[in-house]
Amino acid sequence: DAGVTQSPTHLIKTRGQQVTLRCSPKSGHDTVSWYQQALGQGPQFIFQYYEEEERQRGNFPDRFSGHQFPNYSSELNVNALLLGDSALYLCASSTPGQGIAGELFFGEGSRLTVL
Amino acid sequence: GEDVEQSLFLSVREGDSSVINCTYTDSSSTYLYWYKQEPGAGLQLLTYIFSNMDMKQDQRLTVLLNKKDKHLSLRIADTQTGDSAIYFCAESANQGGKLIFGQGTELSVKP
Repeated sequence: DAGVTQSPTHLIKTRGQQVTLRCSPKSGHDTVSWYQQALGQGPQFIFQYYEEEERQRGNFPDRFSGHQFPNYSSELNVNALLLGDSALYLCASSTPGQGIAGELFFGEGSRLTVL
Repeated sequence: GEDVEQSLFLSVREGDSSVINCTYTDSSSTYLYWYKQEPGAGLQLLTYIFSNMDMKQDQRLTVLLNKKDKHLSLRIADTQTGDSAIYFCAESANQGGKLIFGQGTELSVKP
């Protein structure tokens, strides 16, 4: 049973560029959340997708957008990249009402470096 | 506002107990979690506690919650070198909703 998979694992972009990160949830999960983890910090909630709609959003600018597909996989898009967007981007999947208190299963993340 | 704070570092000897502390500000927190992150890996849920509980024990792990002081702690008994990792405290107001994480406590276990 594959867990949460993310791609790419590492990427380097320059300021002003755009990036797309991808996530496949754990089998049987229908909810995907994205988190940004800057170096030495805890993860910060970006947004959550359920039934192909953004259900909840954290305090991130509109440059951060996402999408969920009918197969529950998800993309995170970041436009007009800034140096401060350099971070580990974590995807987590869950199924409401199942598991331990709606337990989130995290992928290993995509490490984005903006030069 | 929502804020979760932890001390940044803890160093213990193998076989000792480790206690990692966390404070949070959101009084509507319903679920409180402890996650573990090893180098190059994602976060792994270790344990959780509901806000209407004050203690939970799970093998070597004991979670204590003081809701009045908004203080959460994780005790690891008989700490092993394999327990070396970063431990995150997190809270959520609703099941499966967004998590608010602390900045993490780096636990170093020396043989």
